[in-house]
Amino acid sequence: QKEVEQNSGPLSVPEGAIASLNCTYSDRGSQSFFWYRQYSGKSPELIMSIYSNGDKEDGRFTAQLNKASQYVSLLIRDSQPSDSATYLCAVNDQAGTALIFGKGTTLSVSS
Amino acid sequence: DTAVSQTPKYLVTQMGNDKSIKCEQNLGHDTMYWYKQDSKKFLKIMFSYNNKELIINETVPNRFSPKSPDKAHLNLHINSLELGDSAVYFCASSQDWVASGQQETQYFGPGTRLLVL
Repeated sequence: QKEVEQNSGPLSVPEGAIASLNCTYSDRGSQSFFWYRQYSGKSPELIMSIYSNGDKEDGRFTAQLNKASQYVSLLIRDSQPSDSATYLCAVNDQAGTALIFGKGTTLSVSS
Repeated sequence: DTAVSQTPKYLVTQMGNDKSIKCEQNLGHDTMYWYKQDSKKFLKIMFSYNNKELIINETVPNRFSPKSPDKAHLNLHINSLELGDSAVYFCASSQDWVASGQQETQYFGPGTRLLVL
């Protein structure tokens, strides 16, 4: 059974702090990794995609991938109340045909 | 200029009824998907179509039947609705289903909130 694991949270951080979201996956053959943000009652929207080991930065967001440890993380710098949402980690299966989602981590940023 | 659209947005119906949800994308993508998000917010793939052909058919009751009349549309028909079918159903699309072994980014529609009474 292919799995993607995330801490459900809630993860609470003060405004301006760094939020760190973590994800582990079971399929060693996975090649594509995504972070989606989902506000309550809304659809998932892509934050970051990462395909190679190391860091990938986009504005206040940094995705980190370590395929040897089967671990992917998302750092949010200078967290804002508008970042409060559920963050979904998604990993493709080895065949590349499907995305497997984690159950999401709820982030709460207090002002 | 909505990229991925779904109708209806809300659907309330009685057990045993048959209902359909429609999805359209205007991104020119080749691949479309149906996901189910349950009350615990777990998002799970149901079906995937590439250029009107079924690629993925996860363990879903055969009461659920997808239909893709063309690559811009993927509809979901549900027969004999049950209480457990209550969920949010998301349609998504991506440029292709695999490119050099990598999964293309998927873009989600707004969701259809189905409540079976």
